[in-house]
Amino acid sequence: AQKVTQAQTEISVVEKEDVTLDCVYETRDTTYYLFWYKQPPSGELVFLIRRNSFDEQNEISGRYSWNFQKSTSSFNFTITASQVVDSAVYFCALSVYNQGGKLIFGQGTELSVKP
Amino acid sequence: DGGITQSPKYLFRKEGQNVTLSCEQNLNHDAMYWYRQDPGQGLRLIYYSQIVNDFQKGDIAEGYSVSREKKESFPLTVTSAQKNPTAFYLCASRPATNYEQYFGPGTRLTVT
Repeated sequence: AQKVTQAQTEISVVEKEDVTLDCVYETRDTTYYLFWYKQPPSGELVFLIRRNSFDEQNEISGRYSWNFQKSTSSFNFTITASQVVDSAVYFCALSVYNQGGKLIFGQGTELSVKP
Repeated sequence: DGGITQSPKYLFRKEGQNVTLSCEQNLNHDAMYWYRQDPGQGLRLIYYSQIVNDFQKGDIAEGYSVSREKKESFPLTVTSAQKNPTAFYLCASRPATNYEQYFGPGTRLTVT
Protein backbone atom coordinates (compact mmCIF):
# COMPACT_ATOMS: atom_id res chain seq x y z
CA ALA A 1 0.00 0.00 0.00
CA GLN A 2 1.06 3.55 -0.58
CA LYS A 3 1.06 6.32 1.98
CA VAL A 4 2.16 9.93 2.36
CA THR A 5 2.86 11.49 5.75
CA GLN A 6 3.17 15.18 6.52
CA ALA A 7 3.92 15.20 10.20
CA GLN A 8 3.71 18.98 10.60
CA THR A 9 0.06 19.96 10.89
CA GLU A 10 0.68 23.67 11.35
CA ILE A 11 3.74 25.90 11.06
CA SER A 12 3.89 29.57 11.94
CA VAL A 13 6.81 31.79 10.93
CA VAL A 14 7.57 35.47 10.69
CA GLU A 15 8.05 37.02 7.28
CA LYS A 16 11.54 36.55 5.78
CA GLU A 17 12.22 33.40 7.77
CA ASP A 18 13.08 30.21 5.88
CA VAL A 19 10.73 27.29 6.43
CA THR A 20 10.87 23.61 5.48
CA LEU A 21 7.80 21.42 5.03
CA ASP A 22 8.45 17.71 5.50
CA CYS A 23 7.02 14.88 3.42
CA VAL A 24 7.68 11.16 3.84
CA TYR A 25 6.20 8.61 1.47
CA GLU A 26 5.80 4.83 1.35
CA THR A 27 5.60 2.66 -1.74
CA ARG A 28 7.09 -0.62 -2.92
CA ASP A 29 6.87 0.42 -6.55
CA THR A 30 10.02 1.55 -8.31
CA THR A 31 8.37 3.98 -10.70
CA TYR A 32 6.36 6.75 -9.11
CA TYR A 33 5.87 10.49 -9.07
CA LEU A 34 5.88 12.96 -6.21
CA PHE A 35 4.09 16.29 -6.14
CA TRP A 36 3.60 19.40 -4.08
CA TYR A 37 0.38 21.41 -4.29
CA LYS A 38 -0.55 24.70 -2.65
CA GLN A 39 -4.11 25.35 -1.41
CA PRO A 40 -4.75 29.05 -0.70
CA PRO A 41 -7.86 30.12 1.25
CA SER A 42 -9.88 30.14 -1.98
CA GLY A 43 -9.67 26.33 -1.97
CA GLU A 44 -8.31 25.55 -5.41
CA LEU A 45 -5.20 23.38 -5.49
CA VAL A 46 -2.27 24.89 -7.37
CA PHE A 47 0.37 22.58 -8.81
CA LEU A 48 3.92 23.46 -7.72
CA ILE A 49 6.22 20.63 -8.76
CA ARG A 50 6.44 17.04 -9.96
CA ARG A 51 9.40 14.73 -9.47
CA ASN A 52 9.76 11.21 -10.87
CA SER A 53 11.43 8.41 -8.94
CA PHE A 54 14.42 8.25 -11.27
CA ASP A 55 15.37 11.88 -10.84
CA GLU A 56 16.79 12.74 -7.43
CA GLN A 57 18.20 16.04 -8.54
CA ASN A 58 17.11 18.86 -6.28
CA GLU A 59 15.19 21.69 -7.85
CA ILE A 60 15.03 25.39 -7.20
CA SER A 61 12.41 27.77 -8.50
CA GLY A 62 12.78 31.28 -7.19
CA ARG A 63 12.29 31.16 -3.41
CA TYR A 64 11.10 27.55 -3.57
CA SER A 65 13.35 24.50 -3.46
CA TRP A 66 12.74 20.78 -3.17
CA ASN A 67 14.95 18.04 -1.73
CA PHE A 68 14.16 14.51 -2.93
CA GLN A 69 15.99 11.68 -1.13
CA LYS A 70 15.05 8.11 -2.00
CA SER A 71 17.26 6.75 0.79
CA THR A 72 14.96 8.29 3.38
CA SER A 73 11.77 8.30 1.24
CA SER A 74 11.46 12.02 1.71
CA PHE A 75 10.50 14.92 -0.54
CA ASN A 76 10.87 18.10 1.48
CA PHE A 77 9.91 21.60 0.42
CA THR A 78 11.73 24.74 1.52
CA ILE A 79 10.55 28.31 1.16
CA THR A 80 13.34 30.84 1.49
CA ALA A 81 12.59 34.33 2.81
CA SER A 82 8.91 33.54 3.35
CA GLN A 83 6.25 36.11 2.52
CA VAL A 84 2.70 36.63 3.78
CA VAL A 85 1.41 35.45 0.38
CA ASP A 86 2.95 32.05 1.07
CA SER A 87 0.33 31.44 3.76
CA ALA A 88 -1.67 28.42 2.62
CA VAL A 89 -2.08 24.70 3.13
CA TYR A 90 0.56 22.68 1.32
CA PHE A 91 0.00 19.08 0.24
CA CYS A 92 2.52 16.46 -0.73
CA ALA A 93 1.18 13.69 -2.99
CA LEU A 94 2.30 10.41 -4.55
CA SER A 95 1.22 8.74 -7.80
CA VAL A 96 2.37 5.27 -8.79
CA TYR A 97 3.03 4.45 -12.40
CA ASN A 98 0.34 2.54 -14.25
CA GLN A 99 -2.33 2.89 -11.57
CA GLY A 100 -4.59 5.34 -13.33
CA GLY A 101 -2.72 8.45 -12.24
CA LYS A 102 -4.43 8.48 -8.85
CA LEU A 103 -2.95 10.89 -6.32
CA ILE A 104 -2.42 9.82 -2.72
CA PHE A 105 -2.27 12.90 -0.54
CA GLY A 106 -0.69 13.64 2.79
CA GLN A 107 -2.79 15.36 5.44
CA GLY A 108 -1.39 18.78 4.55
CA THR A 109 0.65 21.39 6.42
CA GLU A 110 -0.93 24.73 7.16
CA LEU A 111 1.68 27.46 6.86
CA SER A 112 1.03 30.83 8.41
CA VAL A 113 3.47 33.63 7.61
CA LYS A 114 3.05 36.65 9.84
CA PRO A 115 4.22 40.13 8.92
CA ASP B 1 -9.39 30.45 -21.40
CA GLY B 2 -8.53 26.82 -20.77
CA GLY B 3 -9.38 25.33 -17.44
CA ILE B 4 -11.65 23.32 -15.20
CA THR B 5 -14.95 24.70 -14.00
CA GLN B 6 -17.04 23.42 -11.14
CA SER B 7 -20.46 24.74 -10.36
CA PRO B 8 -21.89 25.88 -8.14
CA LYS B 9 -19.26 27.05 -5.64
CA TYR B 10 -21.64 26.53 -2.70
CA LEU B 11 -24.49 24.02 -2.60
CA PHE B 12 -27.03 23.38 0.11
CA ARG B 13 -29.31 20.35 0.26
CA LYS B 14 -31.65 18.64 2.64
CA GLU B 15 -30.81 15.20 3.92
CA GLY B 16 -32.28 12.44 1.76
CA GLN B 17 -31.93 14.32 -1.52
CA ASN B 18 -29.56 13.36 -4.31
CA VAL B 19 -27.40 16.17 -5.66
CA THR B 20 -25.19 16.38 -8.75
CA LEU B 21 -21.96 18.36 -8.84
CA SER B 22 -20.76 19.61 -12.20
CA CYS B 23 -17.21 19.37 -13.55
CA GLU B 24 -16.26 20.56 -17.03
CA GLN B 25 -12.83 20.92 -18.63
CA ASN B 26 -11.75 22.39 -21.96
CA LEU B 27 -8.13 21.27 -21.69
CA ASN B 28 -8.71 18.19 -23.87
CA HIS B 29 -7.50 16.04 -20.99
CA ASP B 30 -8.23 12.34 -21.10
CA ALA B 31 -8.44 11.53 -17.39
CA MET B 32 -10.68 13.13 -14.79
CA TYR B 33 -10.92 12.68 -11.02
CA TRP B 34 -13.16 13.50 -8.07
CA TYR B 35 -11.72 14.05 -4.61
CA ARG B 36 -13.33 14.83 -1.29
CA GLN B 37 -11.72 17.04 1.36
CA ASP B 38 -12.85 17.19 4.97
CA PRO B 39 -11.66 19.91 7.39
CA GLY B 40 -8.03 19.49 8.39
CA GLN B 41 -7.57 16.46 6.17
CA GLY B 42 -5.99 15.59 2.86
CA LEU B 43 -7.91 14.77 -0.27
CA ARG B 44 -9.41 11.32 -0.78
CA LEU B 45 -10.25 9.84 -4.17
CA ILE B 46 -13.92 9.10 -4.90
CA TYR B 47 -13.98 8.10 -8.58
CA TYR B 48 -11.81 8.52 -11.65
CA SER B 49 -12.13 8.05 -15.38
CA GLN B 50 -9.33 7.57 -17.87
CA ILE B 51 -11.46 7.48 -21.02
CA VAL B 52 -15.02 8.25 -22.09
CA ASN B 53 -17.64 5.72 -20.98
CA ASP B 54 -15.30 4.14 -18.45
CA PHE B 55 -14.64 4.92 -14.77
CA GLN B 56 -13.26 3.25 -11.66
CA LYS B 57 -14.00 3.48 -7.97
CA GLY B 58 -11.55 5.24 -5.72
CA ASP B 59 -11.04 4.77 -2.01
CA ILE B 60 -14.38 6.18 -0.84
CA ALA B 61 -16.89 5.50 -3.66
CA GLU B 62 -19.77 4.32 -1.47
CA GLY B 63 -22.76 6.63 -1.74
CA TYR B 64 -21.51 8.33 -4.91
CA SER B 65 -22.02 7.77 -8.63
CA VAL B 66 -20.47 9.25 -11.78
CA SER B 67 -20.84 9.23 -15.55
CA ARG B 68 -18.43 10.04 -18.37
CA GLU B 69 -20.48 10.45 -21.54
CA LYS B 70 -18.31 13.22 -22.95
CA LYS B 71 -14.57 13.79 -22.71
CA GLU B 72 -15.01 17.24 -21.20
CA SER B 73 -17.58 16.40 -18.55
CA PHE B 74 -17.46 14.22 -15.41
CA PRO B 75 -20.45 14.91 -13.11
CA LEU B 76 -20.59 13.48 -9.60
CA THR B 77 -23.86 12.53 -7.93
CA VAL B 78 -23.96 12.43 -4.15
CA THR B 79 -26.76 10.06 -3.28
CA SER B 80 -28.84 9.81 -0.14
CA ALA B 81 -26.85 6.68 0.70
CA GLN B 82 -23.77 8.78 1.46
CA LYS B 83 -23.79 8.94 5.25
CA ASN B 84 -21.78 12.12 5.69
CA PRO B 85 -21.94 14.15 2.47
CA THR B 86 -21.03 17.58 3.83
CA ALA B 87 -17.53 18.30 2.47
CA PHE B 88 -15.48 20.21 -0.10
CA TYR B 89 -15.43 18.43 -3.46
CA LEU B 90 -12.62 18.95 -5.96
CA CYS B 91 -12.51 17.84 -9.56
CA ALA B 92 -9.22 17.38 -11.44
CA SER B 93 -8.00 16.36 -14.87
CA ARG B 94 -4.75 15.41 -16.57
CA PRO B 95 -3.58 14.51 -20.08
CA ALA B 96 -2.78 10.87 -20.85
CA THR B 97 0.93 11.62 -21.23
CA ASN B 98 1.46 13.44 -17.95
CA TYR B 99 0.83 12.60 -14.30
CA GLU B 100 0.24 16.20 -13.21
CA GLN B 101 -3.37 16.81 -12.24
CA TYR B 102 -4.97 20.24 -12.55
CA PHE B 103 -7.79 21.14 -10.21
CA GLY B 104 -11.01 23.06 -10.45
CA PRO B 105 -12.09 25.66 -7.85
CA GLY B 106 -14.18 23.14 -5.89
CA THR B 107 -17.77 22.90 -4.67
CA ARG B 108 -18.58 23.17 -0.98
CA LEU B 109 -21.60 20.97 -0.27
CA THR B 110 -23.60 21.34 2.93
CA VAL B 111 -26.33 18.83 3.74
CA THR B 112 -28.63 19.48 6.69
